[in-house]
Amino acid sequence: DTGVSQDPRHKITKRGQNVTFRCDPISEHNRLYWYRQTLGQGPEFLTYFQNEAQLEKSRLLSDRFSAERPKGSFSTLEIQRTEQGDSAMYLCASSLAGRDTQYFGPGTRLTVL
Amino acid sequence: GEDVEQSLFLSVREGDSSVINCTYTDSSSTYLYWYKQEPGAGLQLLTYIFSNMDMKQDQRLTVLLNKKDKHLSLRIADTQTGDSAIYFCAETGPYNQGGKLIFGQGTELSVKP
Repeated sequence: DTGVSQDPRHKITKRGQNVTFRCDPISEHNRLYWYRQTLGQGPEFLTYFQNEAQLEKSRLLSDRFSAERPKGSFSTLEIQRTEQGDSAMYLCASSLAGRDTQYFGPGTRLTVL
Repeated sequence: GEDVEQSLFLSVREGDSSVINCTYTDSSSTYLYWYKQEPGAGLQLLTYIFSNMDMKQDQRLTVLLNKKDKHLSLRIADTQTGDSAIYFCAETGPYNQGGKLIFGQGTELSVKP
């Protein structure tokens, strides 16, 4: 399967804990995006990378959130000191620069208790 | 501003056509997309249309674009129970900045046998 993969698929954590999610894009795609989706809403853009450079961050991405893509391949999204309001589905997508079509992974569902 | 709006629910009978509507605000969007999301899953790209096109047909799917009114629609012919899902319309961000997508809230399509 050469689609976008995300790990874990589900994460339950207690308020105040740190969590990290991983996304592996389609192998030849140089752009990688993170979105957050809360119940009953469409996905909201968080940040994106072109190769290893983080080129844009939404104001939704508070100081507790950090994303990396160290070698321009997989990416991680870390949330520090989680809050109940962080409970959501975190979606990753990838695309080829110049071809805007984004392909999404299955998402990581985060529940903060 | 960036805003994409969709009606929240649509119910049809199996075999009928479904029409899902969307309005968007950013006239500079290059591409407009339709994604499908089944419960607990990521987003599946259904189709997209380039902004200089009026119509695109892909098997049972027909996309109509009215740029003047900033209105996009997705018609599903011969709707099946397997088409039951949430459908999201999305536009690219202002001036195609990195290709981030702006999503609507989603239209939940219910197909009754």
